[in-house]
Amino acid sequence: GGIITQTPKFLIGQEGQKLTLKCQQNFNHDTMYWYRQDSGKGLRLIYYSITENDLQKGDLSEGYDASREKKSSFSLTVTSAQKNEMAVFLCASSLQGAPGNTLYFGEGSRLIVV
Amino acid sequence: QQNVQQSPESLIVPEGARTSLNCTFSDSASQYFWWYRQHSGKAPKALMSIFSNGEKEEGRFTIHLNKASLHFSLHIRDSQPSDSALYLCAVRNRGSALGRLHFGAGTQLIVIP
Repeated sequence: GGIITQTPKFLIGQEGQKLTLKCQQNFNHDTMYWYRQDSGKGLRLIYYSITENDLQKGDLSEGYDASREKKSSFSLTVTSAQKNEMAVFLCASSLQGAPGNTLYFGEGSRLIVV
Repeated sequence: QQNVQQSPESLIVPEGARTSLNCTFSDSASQYFWWYRQHSGKAPKALMSIFSNGEKEEGRFTIHLNKASLHFSLHIRDSQPSDSALYLCAVRNRGSALGRLHFGAGTQLIVIP
């Protein structure tokens, strides 16, 4: 089996600051995702990437940038942190090519804006 | 745009009870359906999936899908305290080979010993 590692587990920053979350997977999956989890609102897709150097916007991409430097890693940057953005950010990966493929998630990074 | 709704928002049941969680979706082109389970502070993990109308059973867990009613559900037989978690339903549309899932807001289940 594989694992998805997200760093850091907690990210504390000031309002207006640029903050970056990192994700590594060793499943050798093609597609990677960043979701935001707010209490009572489920998971909302921010960005996804189907291969190295590819980026696709999700439903919540405004205020975020992403980078897929290599197949195993996917970074998410909050361009200007706001207090209403405090949430858990979940990274996931899946094999490409079949819509029945399951997503595998990391444990999440919690963003705290002070 | 897909709209996925879950009910109830939260549920408290005694150990040994049968528990039912519900999920409705809006897009009739939806074809792939999952239940994910997330223990507190942990990663969501796929629990069960179903891709055609009907019922599927795995151990204490049963998933029902009725595409005509835009509804699927998860039933837990003999609920255990270890089943206490956030349950998320997820839907993928036909042709969405890139893997984009739409999630509900979740049902928080607490099983009391």
